[in-house]
Formats: sequence, structure tokens, C-alpha cells
Amino acid sequence: AQTVTQSQPEMSVQEAETVTLSCTYDTSESDYYLFWYKQPPSRQMILVIRQEAYKQQNATENRFSVNFQKAAKSFSLKISDSQLGDAAMYFCAYRSAWEDSSYKLIFGSGTRLLVRP
Amino acid sequence: ETGVTQTPRHLVMGMTNKKSLKCEQHLGHNAMYWYKQSAKKPLELMFVYNFKEQTENNSVPSRFSPECPNSSHLFLHLHTLQPEDSALYLCASSQDTGANVLTFGAGSRLTVL
Repeated sequence: AQTVTQSQPEMSVQEAETVTLSCTYDTSESDYYLFWYKQPPSRQMILVIRQEAYKQQNATENRFSVNFQKAAKSFSLKISDSQLGDAAMYFCAYRSAWEDSSYKLIFGSGTRLLVRP
Repeated sequence: ETGVTQTPRHLVMGMTNKKSLKCEQHLGHNAMYWYKQSAKKPLELMFVYNFKEQTENNSVPSRFSPECPNSSHLFLHLHTLQPEDSALYLCASSQDTGANVLTFGAGSRLTVL
């Protein structure tokens, strides 16, 4: 079974600085998708960025980028120029690409990001 | 506005009560989901509906009963709950179950006394 591990329960960053959140996963599949979701105090989970495993190029979305290391099964999120609004819980998630397999998103336990003004 | 609306935002109920959580989406999606988010635990998928048909029940106790009358609405009926059922219940939707992107609601915070 696939698992997703976020080893950092909490991280802190100074406003305008850069922070990296770690995520590792375990799977025997070769084709899958990886996601980072943000959950601010409003509680709504918002998709931040996603990565297709077959793509070697790391995904980027404005100030958010990932470092996808397929062989190492690592998928870290880098937030550049951190803003106060980035403070939230961040969840890493995995989804199999096989249609006849589970379409479930498998979430990690989350990392709470604090942004210091 | 997220496109996925959940009501109520907060609910407190006794173990013998019957209550329902409601989820509504206006995104034209055909798949809807219930997740349970407990403190310090990963999100747990509970139920999946695709085109109004339940396609997955992730070993959820029968005291949780889902209902999907149409593709835009999803309910979670609650009956004889336990204190350990206290959690944030998140609804999500997607174009269909093969889609990669889920849109979540803001959740219903449930407290069982």
C-alpha cells in the first residue's frame, strides 16, 4: 500500500524568506500524481501545485515550486518570498494514475507553516 | 466562494441525536467525496459517489450514512455517534473519479458529546 510521510510537524519562516517542506512517499507504481494542498485557518483545502510522475521537469506555480526526486521518492515544496497569507497546514498527497486502481488521494499528516512578520 | 459549500460549519450533538451534514457544489462536477479529518491524523476518505452512485465505502461504520440525491448534493446522515467521531468532515468534488484535481469545501466541525 502507498504511504505518504511528512516528517516536519511544524516549520517557521521569516516573511520574504524561503522555506522548504519535505514529503516522502512509498509506492511500487511507476505512474502517479503528487500534490501539495494548503489548508488555511478557514479550513478549506486548496490545491497549491501538482506533479505528474512521468514528467521530469519540476512543477512551478508562481512562488511555489517542487523538487521531485522520483528515484528517492521525495517531493518537497519550496515557497519563495514567503507571505503572511502562506501560513497554513500543508498536506502532501499521492494518487495512483491507474484507473482500475484506487483513485483515492493518500494524504500525509501535514506540516504547519508559521510565517513570522 | 469556493464552489463547494458545506453546512453547518459547526455542529454539536449528543450520542443519541440524529443530524445531517450537507454539501453542495455548483461546479458541474459528477463525483463527490466525504473525508474525515481528525487531529494529528491524515485525511481519511470515507465515501465516494460518481454520477450519484456510491462507488466506495472505505469501511465506514454504519452510524454514518451517505446520500447523494443528485450530482450537486451530498449528505452525511449521522446517528448514534461516538465521541471519537468528533472531527472535521470535508466534502470535495471533481469532474469525475478519474480527475486529478479535487475542490474542497470548508468542512463541518463536528463535536460529539
